[in-house]
Amino acid sequence: NAGVMQNPRHLVRRRGQEARLRCSPMKGHSHVYWYRQLPEEGLKFMVYLQKENIIDESGMPKERFSAEFPKEGPSILRIQQVVRGDSAAYFCASSPQAVSYEQYFGPGTRLTVT
Amino acid sequence: GQQLNQSPQSMFIQEGEDVSMNCTSSSIFNTWLWYKQEPGEGPVLLIALYKAGELTSNGRLTAQFGITRKDSFLNISASIPSDVGIYFCAGPRANYGGSQGNLIFGKGTKLSVKP
Repeated sequence: NAGVMQNPRHLVRRRGQEARLRCSPMKGHSHVYWYRQLPEEGLKFMVYLQKENIIDESGMPKERFSAEFPKEGPSILRIQQVVRGDSAAYFCASSPQAVSYEQYFGPGTRLTVT
Repeated sequence: GQQLNQSPQSMFIQEGEDVSMNCTSSSIFNTWLWYKQEPGEGPVLLIALYKAGELTSNGRLTAQFGITRKDSFLNISASIPSDVGIYFCAGPRANYGGSQGNLIFGKGTKLSVKP
């Protein structure tokens, strides 16, 4: 009865490198959401995806960030040319098809940019 | 834009005490969600509220959807050490042309319980 899985749990990148964060939703869930959390802050919505479709990317920075949820395999959040300000915890959530506001979160990936 | 304001920001209580926290907004919300986050982990959904005036319990937790639709309350009775964590309220944006999946989160209430 696995929950939402994210890997890696911790990721260290130097400025200018690429970061790839992976998320496998709960079994039977076809909707995936990515959020970012800065220290002492709440979560900020980034993007909502279904299989092979981006539904809402209103929270994604215009440059360097992209997300996908392919037909097979996990959802990927990709950050190109990372900068120090990208250091944060990135959480993935999933939901069952019909109820997209009840979201179940993974343990997060803590990205540190040095 | 829509914002969720949580109070208090932090609480230090004795084990066995009851806890109350709230979440307010200047905008109407049609759904309220309460999550708990422990250090190093993702938020865990505690209670979801769908109707103004609704009162829902989950064990020692009780949450209410305010009549005005602009607030919600979470109560924890007889607190225990494992209640420690940050409690977030959240809700989907209303009157928003995008998806229901875009949740807004408050900044959280940090709860510390002294044994």
